[in-house]
Amino acid sequence: AQKVTQAQTEISVVEKEDVTLDCVYETRDTTYYLFWYKQPPSGELVFLIRRNSFDEQNEISGRYSWNFQKSTSSFNFTITASQVVDSAVYFCALSRNNAGNMLTFGGGTRLMVKP
Amino acid sequence: EPEVTQTPSHQVTQMGQEVILRCVPISNHLYFYWYRQILGQKVEFLVSFYNNEISEKSEIFDDRFSVERPDGSNFTLKIRSTKLEDSAMYFCASSEGTSGQETQYFGPGTRLLVL
Repeated sequence: AQKVTQAQTEISVVEKEDVTLDCVYETRDTTYYLFWYKQPPSGELVFLIRRNSFDEQNEISGRYSWNFQKSTSSFNFTITASQVVDSAVYFCALSRNNAGNMLTFGGGTRLMVKP
Repeated sequence: EPEVTQTPSHQVTQMGQEVILRCVPISNHLYFYWYRQILGQKVEFLVSFYNNEISEKSEIFDDRFSVERPDGSNFTLKIRSTKLEDSAMYFCASSEGTSGQETQYFGPGTRLLVL
């Protein structure tokens, strides 16, 4: 069975601070895919990034960066110079390489960025 | 930019009644999904659907639940004999392909309240 753990339920930072959201996953599959989604206060789920298990290169997109480490089964997300608009719940998710494509979500981390 | 749409945004119903939640997936996507999120909790997979058939379903998707693609654009979730515990946000999602690498794009959700 697959499992995603986001141990940080809530993080509060002051604007311009850097913050890292942790994600640890469990799977027996050798091929799998990892995702991050953002859920702002308005409630929708916004796709941020997808990573496959064969690609351990870190990725940077503006103020966002992701660190995938297969050895520790982690896929952490860092926001640099946080802004108030980054306040949201962030979900890490895992899918298998099969038809059906069920996403298994972590419990989410609520990030509050204070001005 | 194409997006998934859902109607209604909010639905209130009495316990025991039937509800139909509607979704219009992204037009060139072939794979459709329903997820739910009980208030303050993680997002949970309900069902995936392709070529007019269910590909995968979770334990939550019991025989009170059904899905349908009644025409070329809509994708619906029907819940019969609603229970109080069905109260949740229901998200529709779609993807181009069905393998785990395909990104699922989510709609804004329908908040269902069963009284």
